[in-house]
Amino acid sequence: KQEVTQIPAALSVPEGENLVLNCSFTDSAIYNLQWFRQDPGKGLTSLLLIQSSQREQTSGRLNASLDKSSGRSTLYIAASQPGDSATYLCAVLVAGNTGKLIFGQGTTLQVKP
Amino acid sequence: DVKVTQSSRYLVKRTGEKVFLECVQDMDHENMFWYRQDPGLGLRLIYFSYDVKMKEKGDIPEGYSVSREKKERFSLILESASTNQTSMYLCASSPTWGGGTDTQYFGPGTRLTVL
Repeated sequence: KQEVTQIPAALSVPEGENLVLNCSFTDSAIYNLQWFRQDPGKGLTSLLLIQSSQREQTSGRLNASLDKSSGRSTLYIAASQPGDSATYLCAVLVAGNTGKLIFGQGTTLQVKP
Repeated sequence: DVKVTQSSRYLVKRTGEKVFLECVQDMDHENMFWYRQDPGLGLRLIYFSYDVKMKEKGDIPEGYSVSREKKERFSLILESASTNQTSMYLCASSPTWGGGTDTQYFGPGTRLTVL
């Protein structure tokens, strides 16, 4: 059974720091890995999607990497800003045409001015 | 832009009541999903549907049912609400499975409290 784990559960950094969020998964049979952002009391917004054949994706100050063989992904945020404060969720799309996403529990990030 | 809307942002119900949570998407997506989100447990899939009138159980279907009479609308039903169903409920939709580029689009969530 696929399990997704995110470390750390919470992170607090001063503004301007570069930071890395970690995600690991137990089964490499995935179609893709996705990173979402969730603001308090709100729904999820897709940030980056890495297909299983890809190694990384970039969007602005965000860079996500995927190492399928080791079951790991990282989300790198450069020059963090207070507006980056949110919960970041990692999810894998399991293979097998079910469309099911398996989520990690998230990392709650606070960027202090 | 894809838009997924949920009928209520906040809902308070009493134990034993029948509760309907409605979700509507405007992008003609085939697949729709209902999740619940609880602190420390993350998002867990309750039910999903890949076509009108079709449904599949997710990881935690007990105590819930669903209805999909029209492609754009997916309803989650709590037949007899209980306090342990107090949670944030999130609806999502996605186009038909294409594999590596598939993602899901989420609604804003409904915070349900059962007293």
